[in-house]
Amino acid sequence: SQTIHQWPATLVQPVGSPLSLECTVEGTSNPNLYWYRQAAGRGLQLLFYSVGIGQISSEVPQNLSASRPQDRQFILSSKKLLLSDSGFYLCAWTEGYGGYTFGSGTRLTVV
Amino acid sequence: QKEVEQDPGPLSVPEGAIVSLNCTYSNSAFQYFMWYRQYSRKGPELLMYTYSSGNKEDGRFTAQVDKSSKYISLFIRDSQPSDSATYLCAMSAATDSWGKFQFGAGTQVVVTP
Repeated sequence: SQTIHQWPATLVQPVGSPLSLECTVEGTSNPNLYWYRQAAGRGLQLLFYSVGIGQISSEVPQNLSASRPQDRQFILSSKKLLLSDSGFYLCAWTEGYGGYTFGSGTRLTVV
Repeated sequence: QKEVEQDPGPLSVPEGAIVSLNCTYSNSAFQYFMWYRQYSRKGPELLMYTYSSGNKEDGRFTAQVDKSSKYISLFIRDSQPSDSATYLCAMSAATDSWGKFQFGAGTQVVVTP
């Protein structure tokens, strides 16, 4: 069966520090991978998606970047965090129109 | 105007009641409709997936799609305290890049014992 792992679960980082969140998927090949951000009381905002190794599409211009160094690995990064980067970050994967499978999320607080 | 509108709630119901949730949308190209349940501090989990119009039932959950009215609904029968969560609707058009969905903001549901 397919599983998705996302870590860390919680992160508190100072303004200006770097960020690296990692997501891996097991049990499938060539999945579509996604990074979403969920702000308190708001919906899910798509940040990046990837349909293959090295293929990254950005939905929202911002302080973040994404990379896909391996087929089932998706990384969200920032060189310098802003207060506005705080939120709940979710990784997800899908093989098509059957809906997403989400990771457990990372709650990021920038202080 | 947002493409997908969803009342944020909270919606409070007594245990055993029927929970009725809905979303409206503006893009007539949407054909794939989903409902997710999200517990506090957890990732959303897929509850129901529907293609085009019609009804779909799974246990205590029923999803309805009315494309003519651009309106989708989720009903939870015999609600339990464990159903207390935020429910998100999501939808996609066949012409969208593969797997990109538009989400509603979510409705918080509280089922009281």
